[in-house]
Amino acid sequence: DGGITQSPKYLFRKEGQNVTLSCEQNLNHDAMYWYRQDPGQGLRLIYYSQIVNDFQKGDIAEGYSVSREKKESFPLTVTSAQKNPTAFYLCASSIVTGGNHEQYFGPGTRLTVT
Amino acid sequence: AQSVTQPDIHITVSEGVSLELRCNYSYGATPYLFWYVQSPGQGLQLLLKYFSGDTLVQGIKGFEAEFKRSQSSFNLRKPSVHWSDAAEYFCAVGVSGGYNKLIFGAGTRLAVHP
Repeated sequence: DGGITQSPKYLFRKEGQNVTLSCEQNLNHDAMYWYRQDPGQGLRLIYYSQIVNDFQKGDIAEGYSVSREKKESFPLTVTSAQKNPTAFYLCASSIVTGGNHEQYFGPGTRLTVT
Repeated sequence: AQSVTQPDIHITVSEGVSLELRCNYSYGATPYLFWYVQSPGQGLQLLLKYFSGDTLVQGIKGFEAEFKRSQSSFNLRKPSVHWSDAAEYFCAVGVSGGYNKLIFGAGTRLAVHP
């Protein structure tokens, strides 16, 4: 059964700590994305990657970092530099060729920083 | 600038009535258009998509949407709402930009009264 998994579903951290959110896909997609969702603001793109060992900043990359060492995995680190990290984080993937823009989403991770 | 507007932040309807959720986009070329649905605390599920051809597209769960180029709209409709349709609905447009970029609206939260 192909899909995207994100873990954990809920994550709690103290202010000043870095935290890494996991995203794994078995859809054989080349492209992967991280979005942040806040109430009333829709989804905002943090980072995206179209190929292993390459990634690009999205619209709100400050305070975040990613890696793409394997095609299946695209972990997101929320660093202590992110001023307001509490949010719902969604990972997505898509094909690169064909250009239909359809993205498939994981179940999300809710991060709470106190 | 490319953008998606969902004018209704919250909509409340009674079960069994018809539903229309509005979506307007701003994009110079022919867009790829999507409607996604999100249940509380979950990821996004694709309801339907428009790439080309017939401007009335059918999706899952009895939803349909109509692309109107002259109005830059892609409104989502359902003839009879069920209580299980209560969720948040996101309209998105796929735009060119070096990758399969999606721009999301802010979402419409639907409540259904029994």
